[in-house]
Amino acid sequence: EIVLTQSPGTLSLSPGERATLSCRASQSVSSSYLAWYQQKPGQAPRLLIYGASSRATGIPDRFSGSGSGTDFTLTISRLEPEDFAVYYCQQYGSSLYSFGQGTKLEIK
Amino acid sequence: QVQLQESGPGLVKPSQTLSLTCTVSGGSISSGGYYWSWIRQHPGKGLEWIGYIYYSGSTYYNPSLKSRVTISVDTSKNQFSLKLSSVTAADTAVYYCARVDTAMVIFAFDIWGQGTMVTVSS
Repeated sequence: EIVLTQSPGTLSLSPGERATLSCRASQSVSSSYLAWYQQKPGQAPRLLIYGASSRATGIPDRFSGSGSGTDFTLTISRLEPEDFAVYYCQQYGSSLYSFGQGTKLEIK
Repeated sequence: QVQLQESGPGLVKPSQTLSLTCTVSGGSISSGGYYWSWIRQHPGKGLEWIGYIYYSGSTYYNPSLKSRVTISVDTSKNQFSLKLSSVTAADTAVYYCARVDTAMVIFAFDIWGQGTMVTVSS
């Protein structure tokens, strides 16, 4: 089973700043099968990025994903007030899924 | 526009079986190219994948839950269901159903239900 570890646990930034979130896998993950989600309180998660770097439908271009192998990154180029939420990475491998524990992005 | 909606009891007694149904609207489960999944989230915690089913009936489960989980599909009703047996308080969570678009080679959960809270308590 592949374990995903996200860092930092909490990231405190101001609107307009750049956010960099990390997701590290316990073993290599195919880039095709790495995704990122945003979740706001009381809501279901929303798919942001799939295939490590492809934006899902309707996702603003300030969100970008990168990485390969065991290290992946979600970057938000310029934070908007609505971007403060919890972010999860997710992988698919050997017909099984797993999620990281999440990074909370909070307003500084 | 495909939409998913979970339904089922919000309260289940310990040792009993939790049963939830996800109704798919705006599209057909039988069309293929999708995994139909269940995911849960313990209060204040992260996401835990439970399992998924293909319209043909093939299933894959989280190894940590496999002995207690059954996911089934009813194509005539355009629904899929989750059964989790021998529940304890540790199974108290929000349960989501979600779709994976394999046809577009996305392999991520692109559509989610709103979630339903299930509490295990006597």
